[in-house]
Amino acid sequence: EVHLVESGGGLVEPGGSLRLSCAASGLSFSGAWMNWVRQAPGKGLEWVGRIKAKIHGGSTDYAAPVKGRFTISRDDSKNTMFLQMNSLRAEDTAVYYCTTAHLALSDPDSWGQGTLVTVSS
Amino acid sequence: QPVLTQSSSASASLGSSVTLTCTLSSGHNNHIIAWHQQQPGKAPRYLMKVEGSGRYNRGSGVPDRFSGSSSGADRHLTISNLQSDDEADYYCETWDGNTWVFGGGTKVTVL
Repeated sequence: EVHLVESGGGLVEPGGSLRLSCAASGLSFSGAWMNWVRQAPGKGLEWVGRIKAKIHGGSTDYAAPVKGRFTISRDDSKNTMFLQMNSLRAEDTAVYYCTTAHLALSDPDSWGQGTLVTVSS
Repeated sequence: QPVLTQSSSASASLGSSVTLTCTLSSGHNNHIIAWHQQQPGKAPRYLMKVEGSGRYNRGSGVPDRFSGSSSGADRHLTISNLQSDDEADYYCETWDGNTWVFGGGTKVTVL
């Protein structure tokens, strides 16, 4: 069974930085594409960004609201993905989830339990 | 990039069936979509993927009361024999390889 565990959330002032981690188990992590998804309080789900597997180039793509401020990376030796968040704004306040990003019909996806990021002074 | 449209709410009686619809924007009729369930106060849970042919693939542990289907640009999620813990928000999701998008979600109320 796939298990994803996010960590690193907390309270940060506007303009500050935070680094989230997503520890994965139960899957071939090095071959997996991974997403970050967030959910602001009382709102719907919003895609944040994706990192491909290194065998597919390891490239990243981001949603417009975070492009240039957030960076996704991975350490396949530790089965862990990261989200570096800089220049944080109040509107970045949300629960951040990591998910698998399998493209095929036959491959189910999985969600972590989420970690809360609050941007406030 | 694709856009997904969902009704904001749906309701049905305990033990009955309800069908939710997720509509793909023009030019994206062939996209696979995923359905996710989010019960109050919990993380989302993957339910299934549905393709344009109507084929679908449920996730591990998802009851067979949940089924998928497709018609043109519409992707459906049908919940049969509705239970009280099916009361949740349901989101559809799709991707084009570089961008992922979610629908706005449908809140299901069990009467």
